[in-house]
Amino acid sequence: ILNVEQSPQSLHVQEGDSTNFTCSFPSSNFYALHWYRWETAKSPEALFVMTLNGDEKKKGRISATLNTKEGYSYLYIKGSQPEDSATYLCASSDNYGQNFVFGPGTRLSVLP
Amino acid sequence: DSGVTQTPKHLITATGQRVTLRCSPRSGDLSVYWYQQSLDQGLQFLIQYYNGEERAKGNILERFSAQQFPDLHSELNLSSLELGDSALYFCASSVGTSGETQYFGPGTRLLVL
Repeated sequence: ILNVEQSPQSLHVQEGDSTNFTCSFPSSNFYALHWYRWETAKSPEALFVMTLNGDEKKKGRISATLNTKEGYSYLYIKGSQPEDSATYLCASSDNYGQNFVFGPGTRLSVLP
Repeated sequence: DSGVTQTPKHLITATGQRVTLRCSPRSGDLSVYWYQQSLDQGLQFLIQYYNGEERAKGNILERFSAQQFPDLHSELNLSSLELGDSALYFCASSVGTSGETQYFGPGTRLLVL
């Protein structure tokens, strides 16, 4: 069974600060790593999917990197805004996508 | 709007009852996933169907069952409901079954009294 961990559990930053958080996953039989953004009272929304070691993806002020050899991914937010406040979930799949497991999430609060 | 629809949005019922939650995937998606989010808990994977067949099973209770129909919509049946079954139930869909991005519906909030 995949064990996907995220840290920190929660984070409070000031508007304009840059921040990052971590997703750890088993590196054996790795297939893909996904990041989702989950705002309160809404459903999770896909941000990125990465498969190759060294992959970097970017969408506006948000970017992500992937290290499949050591089993971690970083999500970076540059110049945080209050609208970035959400829970950020990562999910890892292995065995050609057969197992798809979400981490517990990092709850980000951006204070104006 | 992800293109995934779920009905009903809200459901209030009593312990011991049975309910059915419905999900229609995005056009073209063959996989449907069901998740449970209880209070202060993360997303717990329940079950996945691909093109009508059960594909993967997570922490789904024996009181719960699901199926995917030929038109690819899916239903999650919850029976002998308990207070602890109160949760937000999400459905997600993806194109295939190889770790592609999952697109989530708006969820069904179930309250068992």
